[in-house]
Amino acid sequence: GQNIDQPTEMTATEGAIVQINCTYQTSGFNGLFWYQQHAGEAPTFLSYNVLDGLEEKGRFSSFLSRSKGYSYLLLKELQMKDSASYLCVIMDSNYQLIWGAGTKLIIKP
Amino acid sequence: GAVVSQHPSRVICKSGTSVKIECRSLDFQATTMFWYRQFPKKSLMLMATSNEGSKATYEQGVEKDKFLINHASLTLSTLTVTSAHPEDSSFYICSARGLAEQKETQYFGPGTRLLVL
Repeated sequence: GQNIDQPTEMTATEGAIVQINCTYQTSGFNGLFWYQQHAGEAPTFLSYNVLDGLEEKGRFSSFLSRSKGYSYLLLKELQMKDSASYLCVIMDSNYQLIWGAGTKLIIKP
Repeated sequence: GAVVSQHPSRVICKSGTSVKIECRSLDFQATTMFWYRQFPKKSLMLMATSNEGSKATYEQGVEKDKFLINHASLTLSTLTVTSAHPEDSSFYICSARGLAEQKETQYFGPGTRLLVL
């Protein structure tokens, strides 16, 4: 079957670094997305990985290992506004999106 | 657990025809449905928000006469792309918000790939 696993909730301190992991098992793979979603708002695109390796974009980086079915989102220099849910999303071989349940990130001062 | 389904998963149509996409919430009642459009490798763009039994609220720049949204029941919403053109080719995703397992939450559908020739 198809499955995406990510932690339900994480807590980190302002100014610190946090890594949110995502493991997946899907029928085929056409890319992995990370989205940020604040409560009551639409998701915001953060990153897209289709090849193995690290993609860096400002304070956010995303890593992919296709052979391991594994990705992580790394957030540096955490700010209070980073408190949100982070969604790991896979596009399978049929171009269908499979959504993870999301990781709620709580930032403390 | 709660699931949102979409039908069809992919559709190819000729320019000028209309296409209807269904979005269903399974195992929970969706008081609010959202329709998004996603361009390749880019963010989701919210098109409209609809509450059951009332007219949809469209985002700025989205033509309501072209993208007809109906939210007739707490488990079904439809998006009809009227007189489709090649530039309407995209990935359309619905999302349903409501009470699932006694918690207010939001789930996303798998998306519908539309190709207009």
